[in-house]
Amino acid sequence: AAGVIQSPRHLIKEKRETATLKCYPIPRHDTVYWYQQGPGQDPQFLISFYEKMQSDKGSIPDRFSAQQFSDYHSELNMSSLELGDSALYFCASSWTSGTGISGEQYFGPGTRLTVT
Amino acid sequence: DAKTTQPTSMDCAEGRAANLPCNHSTISGNEYVYWYRQIHSQGPQYIIHGLKNNETNEMASLIITEDRKSSTLILPHATLRDTAVYYCIIHISGGGADGLTFGKGTHLIIQP
Repeated sequence: AAGVIQSPRHLIKEKRETATLKCYPIPRHDTVYWYQQGPGQDPQFLISFYEKMQSDKGSIPDRFSAQQFSDYHSELNMSSLELGDSALYFCASSWTSGTGISGEQYFGPGTRLTVT
Repeated sequence: DAKTTQPTSMDCAEGRAANLPCNHSTISGNEYVYWYRQIHSQGPQYIIHGLKNNETNEMASLIITEDRKSSTLILPHATLRDTAVYYCIIHISGGGADGLTFGKGTHLIIQP
């Protein structure tokens, strides 16, 4: 079965640079979630989108922004990168019904971002 | 979302049933119990979820106490590939694309 696709899988950037991570949800899933997992930490929710609209917001820094496109893929844009942004970034997808009920989240393999 | 308490780590012999407990005494009536696991540095994997009835799927069984204040995830025949961090997460299913709140989880180690 098709899974969530994330690209790139690995990314190395220098401080103050920008980075863009991409997420392609499972076919027929209309909801995308972004999570950050620092070294030795548990995953932390950043932001989610349903039908191209921001749905929920977690601990996402102001330097980060994200959007969901008409084909339901999503991009996480990170600017003015700091050493502390080095982490695994996971995207997850699910379906959401018209009444607001969301199915279980399926996670991608993650993008490992290293800021030097 | 309600807070959960899980043991930091557990061992289980290969081939035996692994029983992972979770306390969630502040759970609300419309909150579900979800279980996910994360094998080292891979994306978290959905296992099972339930509201108040016991649930079973091809991966595991979920037993929820009658008062819903605790639950147990059961892996019936653990294999080495089940070594992972297991997260018990309380989540509103009708919350409309809300993010999951991961706690500390239980590091389950399957011993050969």
